[in-house]
Amino acid sequence: DAGVIQSPRHEVTEMGQEVTLRCKPISGHNSLFWYRQTMMRGLELLIYFNNNVPIDDSGMPEDRFSAKMPNASFSTLKIQPSEPRDSAVYFCASSLAQGSYYEQYFGPGTRLTVT
Amino acid sequence: KQEVTQIPAALSVPEGENLVLNCSFTDSAIYNLQWFRQDPGKGLTSLLLIQSSQREQTSGRLNASLDKSSGRSTLYIAASQPGDSATYLCAVPSSSNTGKLIFGQGTTLQVKP
Repeated sequence: DAGVIQSPRHEVTEMGQEVTLRCKPISGHNSLFWYRQTMMRGLELLIYFNNNVPIDDSGMPEDRFSAKMPNASFSTLKIQPSEPRDSAVYFCASSLAQGSYYEQYFGPGTRLTVT
Repeated sequence: KQEVTQIPAALSVPEGENLVLNCSFTDSAIYNLQWFRQDPGKGLTSLLLIQSSQREQTSGRLNASLDKSSGRSTLYIAASQPGDSATYLCAVPSSSNTGKLIFGQGTTLQVKP
């Protein structure tokens, strides 16, 4: 298996522009997670899906952030409009949630820079 | 609210040393605990997952222990190598029925040749 795939790997954009990050989870996994990592705040969960349904989006910073999972093999995280404080590394992870066992596997991340 | 703390924040050791990384959590009602490794500029790699019913897990030179009652886990690395240099993070679920992980800030390890 190729693991969790994220694109793009790097994104540089200007403030006010729309940014779309993409994720393909591991085939067969039923849970998908979007995280953001910064030096100041560490690794934070933004939102996660179970069977394509958003379960917990309490970590989404504000209305400028939105996430979708139209099917089991694809998810997007969109920021509109982007701001410099959104600069971070965004990770997608997936897992096969079975009862209490749900080891998470992370993608390589997208490094976002908003100027 | 679950909080996870890792001590020390950074560690530098000579090659060959055995070392211990510490992780503590405030709510002992966890289902499992996961240790990850993160190399600079890369994603997280899962190293070990310990279920709440287990006391330890081993993978090669790595051994992770879990003491739920005291809210602690340790990651033991035997005979450290320069290739072990990375940031190590521990994470626990925030509640019993969600996959939401709460991460510590990590311990950055440098193993000097």
